[in-house]
Amino acid sequence: DGGITQSPKYLFRKEGQNVTLSCEQNLNHDAMYWYRQDPGQGLRLIYYSQIVNDFQKGDIAEGYSVSREKKESFPLTVTSAQKNPTAFYLCASSTSPTSGGATEQFFGPGTRLTVL
Amino acid sequence: AQSVTQLDSHVSVSEGTPVLLRCNYSSSYSPSLFWYVQHPNKGLQLLLKYTSAATLVKGINGFEAEFKKSETSFHLTKPSAHMSDAAEYFCVVTPRGYSTLTFGKGTMLLVSP
Repeated sequence: DGGITQSPKYLFRKEGQNVTLSCEQNLNHDAMYWYRQDPGQGLRLIYYSQIVNDFQKGDIAEGYSVSREKKESFPLTVTSAQKNPTAFYLCASSTSPTSGGATEQFFGPGTRLTVL
Repeated sequence: AQSVTQLDSHVSVSEGTPVLLRCNYSSSYSPSLFWYVQHPNKGLQLLLKYTSAATLVKGINGFEAEFKKSETSFHLTKPSAHMSDAAEYFCVVTPRGYSTLTFGKGTMLLVSP
């Protein structure tokens, strides 16, 4: 059963704590992405990785960190430096873009993080 | 640079009536365009995509969209709304050959019986 899994579905954190969100895919995709979703804001890109052991900052990377040690896994750490971390976090993956091609992304079910 | 404007934050229709969700885009390069749907507390599902072939694109669940370069639009339509269509819809643009996407802010579709 191919797809993207994210865990946990709901996560609660106290202020000042770091927390790591899991994202795993078995689609054999090279590229993986993390987005943050807030009501009325659409999706905003946090980090993305196009190949193992390499990743780039997206539009809102401050207060977040990632690693890409395996092709299947792209965990996101929300650090205590993130000022307003309460949000819905979505992970996605895609094949590498080809010249002239449209590279759609496949999304996981999301993790809702609440800071208490 | 690219951007997406979804012209309505909310659209309300009655079951069985047509759906129109409007999207305008801006892109420095030839764009690829997508529509995604999100049901509450779920991930996003691809409805349809435009690359460079036919300008009228058919997607899943009876949705379709027309790419109009002269109007820089990619509006999503469906002839007859169903209750299960109630969800949030996102219009997305990317330059062809790029991997990162730019999302609109979403349109919430409400369907009443």
